[in-house]
Amino acid sequence: ETGVTQTPRHLVMGMTNKKSLKCEQHLGHNAMYWYKQSAKKPLELMFVYSLEERVENNSVPSRFSPECPNSSHLFLHLHTLQPEDSALYLCASSPYKREAANTGELFFGEGSRLTVL
Amino acid sequence: AQSVTQLGSHVSVSEGALVLLRCNYSSSVPPYLFWYVQYPNQGLQLLLKYTSAATLVKGINGFEAEFKKSETSFHLTKPSAHMSDAAEYFCAVSPFISGGYNKLIFGAGTRLAVHP
Repeated sequence: ETGVTQTPRHLVMGMTNKKSLKCEQHLGHNAMYWYKQSAKKPLELMFVYSLEERVENNSVPSRFSPECPNSSHLFLHLHTLQPEDSALYLCASSPYKREAANTGELFFGEGSRLTVL
Repeated sequence: AQSVTQLGSHVSVSEGALVLLRCNYSSSVPPYLFWYVQYPNQGLQLLLKYTSAATLVKGINGFEAEFKKSETSFHLTKPSAHMSDAAEYFCAVSPFISGGYNKLIFGAGTRLAVHP
């Protein structure tokens, strides 16, 4: 149990579907992240929310839409995806940078394995 | 800009042998450095981290890493491999700068296989 929970763990969707990935953290953190992990490619940072404000969007296609309604929850809304979007999507959290409790690392969930047919 | 290079995408060792996973980084400012491990179908778990204190860092499961500024390296070692160490290992760098969040740059990963 890492304190970061992702659902669903596995998702299969067609290219015309709309689905969402959910992440919830129980660590009292104020920053949340979405990473994409594809086979044979480095981890790619997609989005970062700090204090519920999006602070980074790394040229991610608009078919991926993040939402952070509060500091404990993060969503990734998916629509009209492509087969190359099939990957493991990892959520992570951390304390706010300037907090004394922040020692620099990220705390990861177990990931949502997405397959786009 | 920061970057991380992990030498060897696959490493295979015998059970009981030394494990050495290589990581070199590029950073224009003093970095924080991390090693994470990922077991099949799981997320990333922190093994150890360097945050400008002792240059030899001990982590979980018997792993350790040494920060060598002159070589810009942060190699991961374990004296004796166990079958349960088979996993993928990621080195990551984060610049020590103020800001609202922890921006980690990850290497491509090294898959460790341990055979009897």
